[in-house]
Amino acid sequence: QTVVTQEPSFSVSPGGTVTLTCGLSSGSVSISYYPSWYQQTPGQAPRTLIYNTNTRSSGVPDRFSGSILGNKAALTITGAQADDESDYYCVLYMGSGISVFGGGTKLTVL
Amino acid sequence: QVTLRESGPALVKPTQTLTLTCTFSGFSLSTSGMCVSWIRQPPGKALEWLARIDWDDDKYYSTSLKTRLTISKDTSKNQVVLTMTNMDPVDTATYYCARTVVRGTSYFDYWGQGTLVTVSS
Repeated sequence: QTVVTQEPSFSVSPGGTVTLTCGLSSGSVSISYYPSWYQQTPGQAPRTLIYNTNTRSSGVPDRFSGSILGNKAALTITGAQADDESDYYCVLYMGSGISVFGGGTKLTVL
Repeated sequence: QVTLRESGPALVKPTQTLTLTCTFSGFSLSTSGMCVSWIRQPPGKALEWLARIDWDDDKYYSTSLKTRLTISKDTSKNQVVLTMTNMDPVDTATYYCARTVVRGTSYFDYWGQGTLVTVSS
C-alpha cells in the first residue's frame, strides 16, 4: 500500500520561510494527485489551505503557497507567524475515489 | 453557508457496530459534483480518510477498512451515514465528515467539528 510521507516535525523562526513536503513511498507526486494541504491546531477541525497543488482556499493568506518541488508536493510558508504553529497535513488523490493523508508535520515557530 | 455536523454515540463497546450521521446544510448531495467524505483521527495521531459518497451514489472506501465500512446518504434529509462494524479500542478517534469537491480535482473544502468516539468495555 502506498504511503504518503511528510516530515514529522519542522521548526521555523518568526518571519522566516519554511517548506514542508509531501511525497510517496513509491513514485513521484505530480499535479494529477491533486495535492491539498490542511492546517490543524489542537482540538480544532482541520482548515483547508491549498488544493489542486497551488490554489489557496478562500481567506488563506498569500504567505501560504503550494507547488511541486522535484518529486514531491510542497507547502511553503513565507514570513511565518506565531499562529502558524500547527500540524499540517497533505492529502493525495490516488484515483478510484481514494484519498490518502500524509502522517502530518508538526510545525513549531520559535 | 455550508455547515456539517457529526453525531453519534460517544462510547461504544468492542465488537459493536458504530453508526455516525453527518447532517449538512448549504449544499445538496443531489447536485452533480457534490460528495461527502468521512475522516478520522485517533488521539495524538494523524488524520485518516475512511470513505466517500458521491452525488450519483458512487461509494469509495479505504483499502484497509473497506470490509468494515458502509456509507450511505439520505438526500431528502441532507444526511450521510457511516457504519463501522466490529469496533475495537484502536478505533477510538475523532470522526469528521467533510464536503468533498471532485470535479477536475479532489479535496475537502468544508469540515464538521468532529465527534469523539471511544471504544471501551
